[in-house]
Amino acid sequence: GDSVTQMEGPVTLSEEAFLTINCTYTATGYPSLFWYVQYPGEGLQLLLKATKADDKGSNKGFEATYRKETTSFHLEKGSVQVSDSAVYFCALGETSGSRLTFGEGTQLTVNP
Amino acid sequence: DGGITQSPKYLFRKEGQNVTLSCEQNLNHDAMYWYRQDPGQGLRLIYYSQIVNDFQKGDIAEGYSVSREKKESFPLTVTSAQKNPTAFYLCASSIMLGEKLFFGSGTQLSVL
Repeated sequence: GDSVTQMEGPVTLSEEAFLTINCTYTATGYPSLFWYVQYPGEGLQLLLKATKADDKGSNKGFEATYRKETTSFHLEKGSVQVSDSAVYFCALGETSGSRLTFGEGTQLTVNP
Repeated sequence: DGGITQSPKYLFRKEGQNVTLSCEQNLNHDAMYWYRQDPGQGLRLIYYSQIVNDFQKGDIAEGYSVSREKKESFPLTVTSAQKNPTAFYLCASSIMLGEKLFFGSGTQLSVL
């Protein structure tokens, strides 16, 4: 079945550091890929998405590129802020009309 | 404002008791979902519904029940058969399966 694997956390960075959170997936077909963010005590919010190979999703300085050859969708940001501290979830939806499968989440803490 | 409302924010269950978590959306979305989130773990799908009067088991449906009598409402009952109910429960909706999810702010359920 479909699965998503994220890098183990927690990740702790200093402000303005470069961020990478790895995400790889296993799926049949051509999935859409998503990154969601969860701030403390809240539900998840969509951060960005990509629907086909080589697409780049971007939002709020975060980027992720859909790499079919490596089945990856790594999340990056060039300069993190304290306000980026949250849990980040990678997810896939195999085809339109299928439910999403989530990774286990990666806790990010950014220190001033 | 459009969105998803979960209530209550905190809920306590006694041994052998059934409890019901409320989820209401005014986004006119067809699909609704219930996820369970345990500390340090990802989201696990309990039940989902593509349309009114229809719902499907997710990955961890045992000990839970749902109904979908109205498009805007998708209540979750945690029954006494669920032996480890303490968790953070998230309700979500989407225009259709596989599309962007909109999440509520969650209900923390604890056992007394």
